[in-house]
Amino acid sequence: EDKVVQSPLSLVVHEGDTVTLNCSYEVTNFRSLLWYKQEKKAPTFLFMLTSSGIEKKSGRLSSILDKKELFSILNITATQTGDSAVYLCAIMDSKLTFGKGITLSVRP
Amino acid sequence: DTAVSQTPKYLVTQMGNDKSIKCEQNLGHDTMYWYKQDSKKFLKIMFSYNNKELIINETVPNRFSPKSPDKAHLNLHINSLELGDSAVYFCASSHQRTNLKYFGPGTRLLVL
Repeated sequence: EDKVVQSPLSLVVHEGDTVTLNCSYEVTNFRSLLWYKQEKKAPTFLFMLTSSGIEKKSGRLSSILDKKELFSILNITATQTGDSAVYLCAIMDSKLTFGKGITLSVRP
Repeated sequence: DTAVSQTPKYLVTQMGNDKSIKCEQNLGHDTMYWYKQDSKKFLKIMFSYNNKELIINETVPNRFSPKSPDKAHLNLHINSLELGDSAVYFCASSHQRTNLKYFGPGTRLLVL
C-alpha cells in the first residue's frame, strides 16, 4: 500500500511550458514533506515543506503543502531541457518514505 | 570535498558472489542510511544507523548486512547475490535533529 502517491507518473512538455507535479500522501502525522530532483545520479534536494499554505520558491521552481487535503505540488515555470529528470516526493517522520517519482521530459 | 561518497560506482558480479559497498560522509552527521532504487526508480529504505546503532531495519533479506565502524561510515555487505539484487544502492546521511538527507552518488549493482 503506497503511502506517498505521485502523479502523473511521466510527463512530456516543450521548453517554455509550465508544469505542475502532484504528490498525495496518507500519513497525517509527519514532520516535513521533501521534494528531490534526480537526474542520472543521486537525488538532489529541492524543498522541505513543514507548514501548510506557505509557498517556497527557488528560481523557476516553487512548491506548496496542503496538510488539510494531504497533498503537495511542485511547480516549474518556463521549463528548460535541463529540468528533465525524475522528481521525487518524500514524507519525513521517523524515516523518509518516497513516492515512485514523476519522470519529466522537456523537449526543445 | 565530496559530502557523501560511495565506492564502487559500478559493480558487476555473478550470482552467488559476496560483495561490499562502502559509504563515507564528511558532514559530521550522526545518522546514515542505505536505500535501494529499483528499475522503476522507486527508492526504498533498507537500513538506518544512528551513532553506529541500527535504528531502522526494513524487511530486507538477511543476506544484506550493514556495518558501521564509526559515525562517518556505513558499509553494506551482500552475501550470495541474486539476480533480483540488481539495482542502484544509495547511501545517505543526516542529522537526527533535522532529518534532511544528503545522498551519495549511488552504486549501480548488476548481478549476472
